[in-house]
Amino acid sequence: GDSVTQMEGPVTLSEEAFLTINCTYTATGYPSLFWYVQYPGEGLQLLLKATKADDKGSNKGFEATYRKETTSFHLEKGSVQVSDSAVYFCALLRGSARQLTFGSGTQLTVLP
Amino acid sequence: NAGVMQNPRHLVRRRGQEARLRCSPMKGHSHVYWYRQLPEEGLKFMVYLQKENIIDESGMPKERFSAEFPKEGPSILRIQQVVRGDSAAYFCASHRPGSSGRVVVISEQFFGPGTRLTVL
Repeated sequence: GDSVTQMEGPVTLSEEAFLTINCTYTATGYPSLFWYVQYPGEGLQLLLKATKADDKGSNKGFEATYRKETTSFHLEKGSVQVSDSAVYFCALLRGSARQLTFGSGTQLTVLP
Repeated sequence: NAGVMQNPRHLVRRRGQEARLRCSPMKGHSHVYWYRQLPEEGLKFMVYLQKENIIDESGMPKERFSAEFPKEGPSILRIQQVVRGDSAAYFCASHRPGSSGRVVVISEQFFGPGTRLTVL
């Protein structure tokens, strides 16, 4: 079945550091890939997405590129801020499936 | 345009009681998903509903759990005779399936803030 594997956390960085959170997936066909962010006490918000190979999703300085050859969708940001502290979830959706399949989440803490 | 609304935000129940969680989708959205997030884990799909119809309940436990999405009113996730292992955050998401000719458009799911259930 479908699965998403995320880099385990927690991750602690200083402000302005470079961020990478790894995500790899297993799925049949050509899934759409997503990164969701969950701030403390809140629901998930879509951060970015990519629907086909080599697409790059980007939002708020975050980027991720859909790599079919390595089945990966790593999240990157060049310079993190304290306000980026949250839990980040990688997820996939196959065209024939109706529900998102999530990774286990990565807790990010950015220190001033 | 209000987002997905869930209530209550926090719910405390004793073992054996019933928990009832409500979800109002975004305006114009006719499809609702329920996900459960256990501590330190990602979200796991439970059930997918449209108005008056359960489309996929493959992720829902066979006993004690039920879900509905009536023609009028919010979607309800009901947990009977709760146990400590039911303690989790329950998230609702909605979307509006679309199509363009013969192509099914994968539309975004919008999530509510969740209900945090604690079973004592």
